[in-house]
Amino acid sequence: RKEVEQDPGPFNVPEGATVAFNCTYSNSASQSFFWYRQDCRKEPKLLMSVYSSGNEDGRFTAQLNRASQYISLLIRDSKLSDSATYLCVVNFDSWGKLQFGAGTQVVVTP
Amino acid sequence: GAGVSQSPSNKVTEKGKDVELRCDPISGHTALYWYRQSLGQGLEFLIYFQGNSAPDKSGLPSDRFSAERTGGSVSTLTIQRTQQEDSAVYLCASSLAWTGGKETQYFGPGTRLLVL
Repeated sequence: RKEVEQDPGPFNVPEGATVAFNCTYSNSASQSFFWYRQDCRKEPKLLMSVYSSGNEDGRFTAQLNRASQYISLLIRDSKLSDSATYLCVVNFDSWGKLQFGAGTQVVVTP
Repeated sequence: GAGVSQSPSNKVTEKGKDVELRCDPISGHTALYWYRQSLGQGLEFLIYFQGNSAPDKSGLPSDRFSAERTGGSVSTLTIQRTQQEDSAVYLCASSLAWTGGKETQYFGPGTRLLVL
């Protein structure tokens, strides 16, 4: 079993709609959680950290469910520019080795 | 300011040759990370540096891989006797400090390595 698992998608989303997807992680001792965004043939860029109480950044909302060991990302009012691969990132070790999921592809269509 | 830079941006080599990949982190960033991303796959953690030291090298795929960092800045990742399965994008990232993975990592554009 992979340490960080994501639905690869693609999630095809009409412009203006809402899309949400999850990421599960295997290590219950994980401490830090992030969502990164990666455009085609580009480097990953931090989208947002995920806090225990959940957090929002504009149209993006991240949630953490420690009991079920998953994090989620919700995108409201999708824009064409939101089309990308969203990488779930989890910190496992005491010194913070990061584990990346393989990514969820989102395609926003006009 | 300047972001993380990597060179070369693309490298084509023959099986069995050695290659050296370079990463220039953001000025003042003490933590530096190397990852590998194969086509359609997630990022695979290779190694990280805090200053010039690499506390954990267990992510390196084999003993053909080595990395060093000098002067707390530039890092090189060396792959000896390259194999076709080494073909991937090698990404470098840096962060301001090491705080248990909570620091934002800023990625370079990567080096696309193709081993023929």
